[in-house]
Amino acid sequence: KNEVEQSPQNLTAQEGEFITINCSYSVGISALHWLQQHPGGGIVSLFMLSSGKKKHGRLIATINIQEKHSSLHITASHPRDSAVYICAVPREGGAQKLVFGQGTRLTINP
Amino acid sequence: KAGVTQTPRYLIKTRGQQVTLSCSPISGHRSVSWYQQTPGQGLQFLFEYFSETQRNKGNFPGRFSGRQFSNSRSEMNVSTLELGDSALYLCASSPSKTSGGSGQETQYFGPGTRLLVL
Repeated sequence: KNEVEQSPQNLTAQEGEFITINCSYSVGISALHWLQQHPGGGIVSLFMLSSGKKKHGRLIATINIQEKHSSLHITASHPRDSAVYICAVPREGGAQKLVFGQGTRLTINP
Repeated sequence: KAGVTQTPRYLIKTRGQQVTLSCSPISGHRSVSWYQQTPGQGLQFLFEYFSETQRNKGNFPGRFSGRQFSNSRSEMNVSTLELGDSALYLCASSPSKTSGGSGQETQYFGPGTRLLVL
């Protein structure tokens, strides 16, 4: 079993829909990262959170430390949100020694 | 501030050759991490450098090595290239104000170097 599991692997939705991407992890963590990767490869860090909830524009990230689960929500989705979304957690022994989920490929159709 | 830069952006090599990739972190950032991304394995951590010292290492063979210079710029080297080394190599920097690391640091990624081994 992978240390970080994401679901779904692929998600297609219509513009305007509410999107939820889930991430479960099996290791103890100090923080969880949500990353966005657009075609072409560049990765942008969306959120880093260790408890509760964070919001940035239309994006919301939540984490439940007891259940070892995090969700990324996108409200009023737009075609420009189409990307691969990756969650990552630091492995013991290093803050930057990240273990990554396999990613969720999101496609928003107009 | 300028973002993380990586050179070259694209590279084609043949099996058995070696390659050196370069990463310039955001000004003032002291930690540089390297990651490999392949379709089969996804993103994997290679190593991390802080103050010219390797602070963490992933599970990659000794053919993969790196170093960091006093200005925090970093290079990674892959010797005796194999077909399976074809990948997108990403570096990321973070402020990392202490040698121990905070455990909670946003990573700022470069655009990556796409390496193709023929």
